[in-house]
Amino acid sequence: GNSVTQMEGPVTLSEEAFLTINCTYTATGYPSLFWYVQYPGEGLQLLLKATKADDKGSNKGFEATYRKETTSFHLEKGSVQVSDSAVYFCALCSGSARQLTFGSGTQLTVLP
Amino acid sequence: NAGVTQTPKFRILKIGQSMTLQCTQDMNHNYMYWYRQDPGMGLKLIYYSVGAGITDKGEVPNGYNVSRSTTEDFPLRLELAAPSQTSVYFCASGSGQGDPGELFFGEGSRLTVL
Repeated sequence: GNSVTQMEGPVTLSEEAFLTINCTYTATGYPSLFWYVQYPGEGLQLLLKATKADDKGSNKGFEATYRKETTSFHLEKGSVQVSDSAVYFCALCSGSARQLTFGSGTQLTVLP
Repeated sequence: NAGVTQTPKFRILKIGQSMTLQCTQDMNHNYMYWYRQDPGMGLKLIYYSVGAGITDKGEVPNGYNVSRSTTEDFPLRLELAAPSQTSVYFCASGSGQGDPGELFFGEGSRLTVL
């Protein structure tokens, strides 16, 4: 079956540091890939997505590239802010009902 | 613009009690989903629906039931609550058209079974 493996957390960084959160997946076919973000006390919201190999998703300074050869979709940001503190989930979309399969989530804390 | 609305936000149940988590969306989305989120475990799909009158099991359906009588509503029923059902529950919806797109999530319902 499908699965998503995410970098273990929590991750603590200083403001303006570089962020990488690793994500690899196992799936049949060519799923679409997503990063979702969950701020404290809120539901998940879409951060970025990529629907085919070599696509780069980007939003709010975050980027991730769909690498089919390494089955990876690592999240990066060049300079994090305190407001980026949240839990980040990698996910893949598959099936006729477009179900999302999620990774375990990575808690990011950014210190001023 | 309400989006996906879940009620209640918090609930404490005793073992063996039953309850229904309500979910409604105002975006005319055909696809709706129920997930549970356990600490350090990500989200697991409980049930989903691709339209009114159609439901199907996800990864962890045992102990739950759903119905979809209208496009807007997708309630989740817990029968005979057990401590293993202590979790945060999220309802989500999506249009199901074009490229797989964004799912819209509710704010969650935190359930504790004692």
